[in-house]
Amino acid sequence: DTGVSQDPRHKITKRGQNVTFRCDPISEHNRLYWYRQTLGQGPEFLTYFQNEAQLEKSRLLSDRFSAERPKGSFSTLEIQRTEQGDSAMYLCASSFPSVQTAGGYTFGSGTRLTVV
Amino acid sequence: QKEVEQDPGPLSVPEGAIVSLNCTYSNSAFQYFMWYRQYSRKGPELLMYTYSSGNKEDGRFTAQVDKSSKYISLFIRDSQPSDSATYLCAMNYGGATNKLIFGTGTLLAVQP
Repeated sequence: DTGVSQDPRHKITKRGQNVTFRCDPISEHNRLYWYRQTLGQGPEFLTYFQNEAQLEKSRLLSDRFSAERPKGSFSTLEIQRTEQGDSAMYLCASSFPSVQTAGGYTFGSGTRLTVV
Repeated sequence: QKEVEQDPGPLSVPEGAIVSLNCTYSNSAFQYFMWYRQYSRKGPELLMYTYSSGNKEDGRFTAQVDKSSKYISLFIRDSQPSDSATYLCAMNYGGATNKLIFGTGTLLAVQP
């Protein structure tokens, strides 16, 4: 296992288009997280899954955003009707559920979205 | 007011210097404290993870937590040009979510 994989690495899209990102977590990890990071800021929590169940969504995740993890393995994050304010790095991370390993997130390299 | 405050820098030091990076937080419910390193156009990488107040050392890195002052620090000894990156503090409540609250990150440049 080579870590958390995200695809694509970069995406440029026109305002109003839909985009979808994919994340493949570490196979032993049953928790998967999505974060968003804008320039000069730390990552902000969007949502997380335990196996296939989406257990929490941030208020940052508007109705235009939807995330899925259909078989408890890979996850997709879709943004509909993109806006310029959606331009950011979208980071995926995975971990074990134990609080004692809470620091044990492994992040992917992210998908950088630019909305023009 | 943000839950976690971190000086964004940039911080420039000569090679071999001791670097001190700091974060303050407002919510005493935070239980777990982490430092991540993020190179340009990469995802964050976990450096240090602490639970209780006190010091934790790992090679050239020392993490310090003072819960009474709501203050955490990361010290880097004998800094190297390869340490040049953004350093993010992060913390969580230890509940079911495991979601992390990050600082804004401090950009560090170690000059050879």
